[in-house]
Amino acid sequence: GENVEQHPSTLSVQEGDSAVIKCTYSDSASNYFPWYKQELGKGPQLIIDIRSNVGEKKDQRIAVTLNKTAKHFSLHITETQPEDSAVYFCAASFNNNNDMRFGAGTRLTVKP
Amino acid sequence: DAGVIQSPRHEVTEMGQEVTLRCKPISGHNSLFWYRQTMMRGLELLIYFNNNVPIDDSGMPEDRFSAKMPNASFSTLKIQPSEPRDSAVYFCASRAWDGNQPQHFGDGTRLSIL
Repeated sequence: GENVEQHPSTLSVQEGDSAVIKCTYSDSASNYFPWYKQELGKGPQLIIDIRSNVGEKKDQRIAVTLNKTAKHFSLHITETQPEDSAVYFCAASFNNNNDMRFGAGTRLTVKP
Repeated sequence: DAGVIQSPRHEVTEMGQEVTLRCKPISGHNSLFWYRQTMMRGLELLIYFNNNVPIDDSGMPEDRFSAKMPNASFSTLKIQPSEPRDSAVYFCASRAWDGNQPQHFGDGTRLSIL
């Protein structure tokens, strides 16, 4: 089955700096890669996703890149703000099927 | 769109008691998932339903756990009898049964078994 590894487990940046979170997956058949943001006391919320037919996707200050050959994908947050502080999870699945595997999460802290 | 609604938000009970967690998926979504989140194990899929039918319950930790989905707008996760190691945050998620739609999560039930 799919195995997703996520790094780093914690990340601290200054407001305005960029943050990068990286994930690797094991199943070459995986073709759907969502990223979720979880704030304290809340459930994970989808912030961006990418499918294997594209290498990069951007939505304002967040972007995701995918390297299918190396089987890794990354989340990039530019111009970070204190409200970006949260736990971020990557995930991978085939055709967004029901067997979606999540990374262990990255706790991002943005210092004002 | 009201989102996925879970109740209760918090539950504290004594070991051995029955616990019932409830979930209302987003209207029109026909897949529903129950997850458990702990510091040690992260997000674990317990069971999922398609069109109210349980498809895969291999993630359910023990026979003490059971889940039902009597209709498209309601699901329950029951633990009987509960044990302290069941303490965790339990999430329900739903999605439209289309290969390219994301899962939408509720805000979870924080369960503490004393």
